[in-house]
This record gives sequence, C-alpha cells and structure tokens, in this order.
Amino acid sequence: GAVVSQHPSRVICKSGTSVKIECRSLDFQATTMFWYRQFPKKSLMLMATSNEGSKATYEQGVEKDKFLINHASLTLSTLTVTSAHPEDSSFYICSAAGGRYNEQFFGPGTRLTVL
Amino acid sequence: GENVEQHPSTLSVQEGDSAVIKCTYSDSASNYFPWYKQELGKRPQLIIDIRSNVGEKKDQRIAVTLNKTAKHFSLHITETQPEDSAVYFCAAILNRDDKIIFGKGTRLHILP
Repeated sequence: GAVVSQHPSRVICKSGTSVKIECRSLDFQATTMFWYRQFPKKSLMLMATSNEGSKATYEQGVEKDKFLINHASLTLSTLTVTSAHPEDSSFYICSAAGGRYNEQFFGPGTRLTVL
Repeated sequence: GENVEQHPSTLSVQEGDSAVIKCTYSDSASNYFPWYKQELGKRPQLIIDIRSNVGEKKDQRIAVTLNKTAKHFSLHITETQPEDSAVYFCAAILNRDDKIIFGKGTRLHILP
C-alpha cells in the first residue's frame, strides 16, 4: 500500500515557540491532505483540508493564524503550530488522498508536547 | 455537515466471544463507511469498509453491515482474540478521498 510519513514523530518545545510538522506521501501524489488532532483518549478531530497550490480550508473553531498549513507540492504538506502553548500539546496526524484508487492513507502521527 | 454517533464508548468481551459496535450517521449523501482500528500512539488502520450499494461485507472474523434507510452501520468481530483489543472508529463520508469525520471511538477490551 501507499506510504505516508510524518516528521518529526515526537517533539518537545517551550511555550511560545513554533513547531513545524511535515507530512509526505512517499510513493504517490496527493492532491489533498488532511490534518487531524487527537487528544488523549479522544477521537481524531479534523483541523483542516490542504489542497496543493491553494489555501487550506479550516474547520470551524480552528485558528488559521495559529495553525499554518502549506501544501507546496503534490507530496508535501506542512503544519506549523505558531506560538505553541501547553494546550496545543496533542497527537497530530495527517492523511493523504491519492494513489491508483484515490484512497486515503494516514501518517504515523506526531506527538507534540509544549512545556 | 456529517455527524457520526458511535456506541458503546467502552466494550469488554470475553475472549472467543463476539463484539458489536454500532454507528449512526446524519448525512444521507454519505456512501462510504470505513472502520479504523487504532492502537495506543499509532495511526488509525483501515480494517474494513463498505459502500452504500452493499448491505454487508465480510473479511475473515470481521464483518460490517449497513442499513442505509435507517442510516445505521455496525462492525462485528467474531471469535475475538487478545490482539483485537484497541480503539475502533467508524466514519461516514461521501467518497474515499474526502475528509473523514470520525465517531467518538469504542475502546474494546478482550478479557482472558
């Protein structure tokens, strides 16, 4: 099956710093990528839809200036958490849609801890 | 937008018995219903899916049923094993490449 990678897998940072998370589709082109956030023992909540070459579409309640999304190529989308605070600590997972059957594949996730 | 309700939130089943997780959805336009299994700290893994033109699909010990009229779909796991312990999520979306709206999840415990 298709492979989606995320980097870094784990990051610990101080409050006020910005953190960039990369999502890559390794063996297929993804016209659309999605970013989800998952708090402990909770479901995955969609944050935004990222389309290559255009602005991301954010879900209600998600601050676009706080969570910057860039989808610069058909294989890479980035999520930047700006001025991170402890409440931003979460598991961030991306998914990429594409491949032969236009399926969706998840990345392994990034665990962000803000001190 | 789509809203997916999932029950129960926690389910404990004796090893070897069956487990059933039920979901309902709100958008009648949805026609793709995937189920995911997620282990702690891992990505969700697609375990089975069903399209709206099919009422039931089975893959070894796992089956999914869909009642489009009632907007209900269910996951059935038979002959449960310890490795089935995980969190299971249902979803209902328009197409496979659409944004996924997950149910709240069911934590399944397989008891020895």
